[in-house]
Amino acid sequence: DVKVTQSSRYLVKRTGEKVFLECVQDMDHENMFWYRQDPGLGLRLIYFSYDVKMKEKGDIPEGYSVSREKKERFSLILESASTNQTSMYLCASSLLAGGREQYFGPGTRLTVT
Amino acid sequence: SQQGEEDPQALSIQEGENATMNCSYKTSINNLQWYRQNSGRGLVHLILIRSNEREKHSGRLRVTLDTSKKSSSLLITASRAADTASYFCAPSRGSGYSTLTFGKGTMLLVSP
Repeated sequence: DVKVTQSSRYLVKRTGEKVFLECVQDMDHENMFWYRQDPGLGLRLIYFSYDVKMKEKGDIPEGYSVSREKKERFSLILESASTNQTSMYLCASSLLAGGREQYFGPGTRLTVT
Repeated sequence: SQQGEEDPQALSIQEGENATMNCSYKTSINNLQWYRQNSGRGLVHLILIRSNEREKHSGRLRVTLDTSKKSSSLLITASRAADTASYFCAPSRGSGYSTLTFGKGTMLLVSP
């Protein structure tokens, strides 16, 4: 079974802090994704990566950056956290490109105060 | 990417009843996927139906796809309390680096 893990289930940070959210998958998947999920807005794609050191902007990349130095690890970085980045963050991976099945981690609920 | 819209937004039924959720989308697709999300957790992939398929089954799940109407439905038969979750559809062009766009989902509550 595919396993996608995220570094924290719950995280509380202060405004202006630099925040790292880490995601690791153990199935040698090429593709990895970061989403945020907010009530009434559904899931929105922040960034994705189809290969090591490769990244593409999703629908809402502003205020975020990503890093993929190794195939299994995809990090989401909030350079200077703000209260409007309080959200549930979900990481996913997929074996195949082209909009195929994605496997999700358990999510990180981030609160920025 | 393209987005599916799930309908209804919320559905409340009793255990043992069937639950039907619908998804509409706007442009041509290669496949359409359904996912489940239990409260506060990640999404779980349920089923993928290709554009050349009309119906697909997996256990108590039945998915239909009508590409002429650009719609899909997910039927859960003999529902259980454990089926309580949000359900999302994700239509996909399935080409190149196309990504999935999720809608706001249908929240299903199954009461004992």
